[in-house]
Order: sequence, then structure tokens, then C-alpha cells
Amino acid sequence: DTAVSQTPKYLVTQMGNDKSIKCEQNLGHDTMYWYKQDSKKFLKIMFSYNNKELIINETVPNRFSPKSPDKAHLNLHINSLELGDSAVYFCASYLAGGPNTGELFFGEGSRLTVL
Amino acid sequence: DQQVKQNSPSLSVQEGRISILNCDYTNSMFDYFLWYKKYPAEGPTFLISISSIKDKNEDGRFTVFLNKSAKHLSLHIVPSQPGDSAVYFCAAPLAYKYIFGTGTRLKVLA
Repeated sequence: DTAVSQTPKYLVTQMGNDKSIKCEQNLGHDTMYWYKQDSKKFLKIMFSYNNKELIINETVPNRFSPKSPDKAHLNLHINSLELGDSAVYFCASYLAGGPNTGELFFGEGSRLTVL
Repeated sequence: DQQVKQNSPSLSVQEGRISILNCDYTNSMFDYFLWYKKYPAEGPTFLISISSIKDKNEDGRFTVFLNKSAKHLSLHIVPSQPGDSAVYFCAAPLAYKYIFGTGTRLKVLA
């Protein structure tokens, strides 16, 4: 029973298209994240939601729009895809016992390839 | 501005020997640190953590050491096993934002 699940795992699409990646966690956590791992393998935070409220929004192009319909789901929609958006996107969740404690639980990642 | 740095992109160790992975940080506000392990095509998984009130935390073959004055932490794996071959990330949270190092690829040779 997967704790943090992402779909799709692989996504190949053309430049200019719009695509979504879905994430669901069954851990009962309050806070969810999207991270991007680029070609240099850096794990960079993009967004975080706590109980459906946006709490972290890094310098991400506004073509990226997260949506959290409830605290168990955090989806990522990307408009007008560009070549540089090719990366692995990881969803993660966290039980907010405090701002600087606890660990993140990651999904398996969604590899996006833009042609 | 990379606040969490792992200066060794890769490390090879013989099976049975000790693996030492290093991590440096620049922000003195960090007070909790984590190590994650990542296999190919999988998400990172939590390995071990340490609070800044401690200088050592041990869990089986894994020990993390923290030197606050040097802003340095290290992960020791002993004895190393082939299944430990993975990419290891150190991370530190600040106000819910978990900042990751660039990772060190460990290869344990049988």
C-alpha cells in the first residue's frame, strides 16, 4: 500500500502542451510538497501546501500551478511546456509536528520529457 | 546560493569497509539534519536524522555526526554492503522548507 503515490510515472510530450501530474498520500499528513530534480540531480523545492493552503512558493514560473483539493492530494499542472521543464518531479508529504522537525516521505517520482 | 553542500559527487568503497559521506552547510539557523538514500527510478527515502542538540546519532550500521562549529555533518556506514549503493542526500529544514544537498553517489564494490 503506497504511502505517497504519483501518476503518471513517465510522461513524454511536445513543447507547448499542457500536462498534469497527480499526487496522493494516505499517511494522514498535513503538508505536501513538489520538488523538481533537474538534469544536474539537484532536488529543488517548488511548492508546499499545508491543509490546502499554499505556504511555500519558490521562484517558479507561473506556468506551474499547484492545486490541492484536499489535504491528501496535491496536483501539479504545467502550461505551455518548455524543453527546460524536462525533469523528475517528486511529490512529498510531511506530518507538521513543528517547522523544523520530522521527515519528508517521497513518492516515486514522475519523469517528464518535453520534446 | 547552495546552503547545503555535498562536495563529493561520488565515492567508491569496498564491501565491509567504512563509507563516510560528508555534508557542509552555511546557515547557522539550521537545527535539524536528515540523510536520505535514493535508488534509481525511486523516490528518496529517509535514513537517519540528527538534532543540533546532539553531536551523534546511531541507527544500526548508520551513524551521523554533527560538528556545529564547523557546520559539518557526516554519515558513516559500517560495514558497507553492496545494497548500500545509492545516491545519498543530506537535507536541512527551515520553516517547513527542506533544503537538499546535491547528493553523493556511493558505490560499494563486492
